Amino acid sequence: AQKITQTQPGMFVQEKEAVTLDCTYDTSDPSYGLFWYKQPSSGEMIFLIYQGSYDQQNATEGRYSLNFQKARKSANLVISASQLGDSAMYFCAMREERGNQFYFGTGTSLTVIP
Amino acid sequence: DSGVTQTPKHLITATGQRVTLRCSPRSGDLSVYWYQQSLDQGLQFLIQYYNGEERAKGNILERFSAQQFPDLHSELNLSSLELGDSALYFCASSVGTRHGYTFGSGTRLTVV
Repeated sequence: AQKITQTQPGMFVQEKEAVTLDCTYDTSDPSYGLFWYKQPSSGEMIFLIYQGSYDQQNATEGRYSLNFQKARKSANLVISASQLGDSAMYFCAMREERGNQFYFGTGTSLTVIP
Repeated sequence: DSGVTQTPKHLITATGQRVTLRCSPRSGDLSVYWYQQSLDQGLQFLIQYYNGEERAKGNILERFSAQQFPDLHSELNLSSLELGDSALYFCASSVGTRHGYTFGSGTRLTVV
């Protein structure tokens, strides 16, 4: 079974609007971390936001927030007030407490339209 | 600058050749991870080293090998290269299990 599922290969959003990128995960480990990374066309992987499985509140980092629904095993990324520079691939990832690697989703390509 | 240094940034080589990719982790990070990113396979975990020892192995081909040196820098060796090995190779480091990865800028390998 896929550890991380991103069902949206591509998304479009109007500049200044908010957009939600979906991510569901699968784990039996009670302790895990969820991450989102951004990969612009230049190729580098940029860490955006982290959510721990025991965190009571949804993580926020500036315009990024993580909508964490533990029972549904979902960790959607919300980008508010989209900017042209947000156009990139976005990867959801999970790290289990017991594991030694990250599991990445297949990514969502976000295009911000002026 | 993420603090994780990868060299070279670009590499073009012929089939059958051997190359070495180098990674210096962020200061204080003991773990180094290697990933391969190709268009059709996404991000594939290759191998992890922790303080000089191999800790986990993913989908790494037998033609590929890696090591981590006492100064914690790591090298990924790719031999008998094939066209399908063309990809972006990332190194990432991490300080511990509760922390995320910090990625290097990647090495773009093109096999011709």
